[in-house]
Amino acid sequence: QKEVEQDPGPLSVPEGAIVSLNCTYSNSAFQYFMWYRQYSRKGPELLMYTYSSGNKEDGRFTAQVDKSSKYISLFIRDSQPSDSATYLCAMIASNFGNEKLTFGTGTRLTIIP
Amino acid sequence: DVKVTQSSRYLVKRTGEKVFLECVQDMDHENMFWYRQDPGLGLRLIYFSYDVKMKEKGDIPEGYSVSREKKERFSLILESASTNQTSMYLCASRERQTFNYGYTFGSGTRLTVV
Repeated sequence: QKEVEQDPGPLSVPEGAIVSLNCTYSNSAFQYFMWYRQYSRKGPELLMYTYSSGNKEDGRFTAQVDKSSKYISLFIRDSQPSDSATYLCAMIASNFGNEKLTFGTGTRLTIIP
Repeated sequence: DVKVTQSSRYLVKRTGEKVFLECVQDMDHENMFWYRQDPGLGLRLIYFSYDVKMKEKGDIPEGYSVSREKKERFSLILESASTNQTSMYLCASRERQTFNYGYTFGSGTRLTVV
């Protein structure tokens, strides 16, 4: 079993819809959670970062963490065609300073104008 | 903004060749990483380094080595390239003394071994 599971999609939604992207994990030591966005033929870029259970909002994006269920989500409101990308969840069990980030396989999202 | 620069966007090499992938970051980050990305497998850590001349194996180090002679530069070496090393290679860096684990990635090198 993989430590981090992510539905690969692809996921297609109409412009303006709310998008929900999800990851589950099995390692209860994971403490820090991230979402990366990766456009085609580019490296991933950090979108959201959180370390506590609950919600964190940044503009149209909301990251949600439920440590008791080992489940994280990224919500995108008022989705735009420019949001079309692959979204990767990532998490880490910190050994402060020297660490290994574990990634999900990514969900490919297309926003249809 | 931190910039991580990978020297080549696309490379085509022959089986058995020794291949060097170069990565340079410009923000004095201590930690640097090499990942490969494959469809359905996601990003897998090959090696990382948390200081000059220091290196740690990641999850899939076989067939690879690394070199970090200067803080800003982290090189990935394929000792004898094989077709199963055809992949997208991503370099990343992070400031060590911080709880922000957001990595900065380069744009990647797509390596094809024929």
